[in-house]
Amino acid sequence: GQNIDQPTEMTATEGAIVQINCTYQTSGFNGLFWYQQHAGEAPTFLSYNVLDGLEEKGRFSSFLSRSKGYSYLLLKELQMKDSASYLCAVRDNAGNMLTFGGGTRLMVKP
Amino acid sequence: ETGVTQTPRHLVMGMTNKKSLKCEQHLGHNAMYWYKQSAKKPLELMFVYSLEERVENNSVPSRFSPECPNSSHLFLHLHTLQPEDSALYLCASSQDRGYNSPLHFGNGTRLTVT
Repeated sequence: GQNIDQPTEMTATEGAIVQINCTYQTSGFNGLFWYQQHAGEAPTFLSYNVLDGLEEKGRFSSFLSRSKGYSYLLLKELQMKDSASYLCAVRDNAGNMLTFGGGTRLMVKP
Repeated sequence: ETGVTQTPRHLVMGMTNKKSLKCEQHLGHNAMYWYKQSAKKPLELMFVYSLEERVENNSVPSRFSPECPNSSHLFLHLHTLQPEDSALYLCASSQDRGYNSPLHFGNGTRLTVT
């Protein structure tokens, strides 16, 4: 079976750095995705990791450790518009299905 | 128009009604998906179509019936739904089901069953 865990909610201050963790236990692994979803809107793709290490994209970075079944999304120089839910999703290698975690609701305060 | 478009944005229906949700993608993708998003629950995969052939049916009740007439269009036909089916229904598309192909989502249809 698939099990993906993320914190339900986090709060951070504008301008700060926040790290959102994701742990997973899945039947096979074929990559991990992070999505951002603002309230009432579609999830939008942020990052993809399939090899261990850090992938950086501007203010957002994503890290993966396959041996630990662990990933994090790092958001730097937080802005108010970063308030959203962040979804971790893992693709298995049996049919390439994408399984989502419950999402982490991030609130950025002034 | 670009991206993935879903209609209607909001739908209220009684348990005896029949309605359909529509999804259209303008990205040239060949795989399309239906997901259900309920409050405080993870996104649940319902159906996957690849090259217009259904390749996944994730133990979804028969009151939900998908249809994929071509690679750009996807429908979800609804009949005799239950109040617990109230949720946000998201359509997505991707290029193949390749390991590094991200899903592109529509804005969803907010369904309320009364």
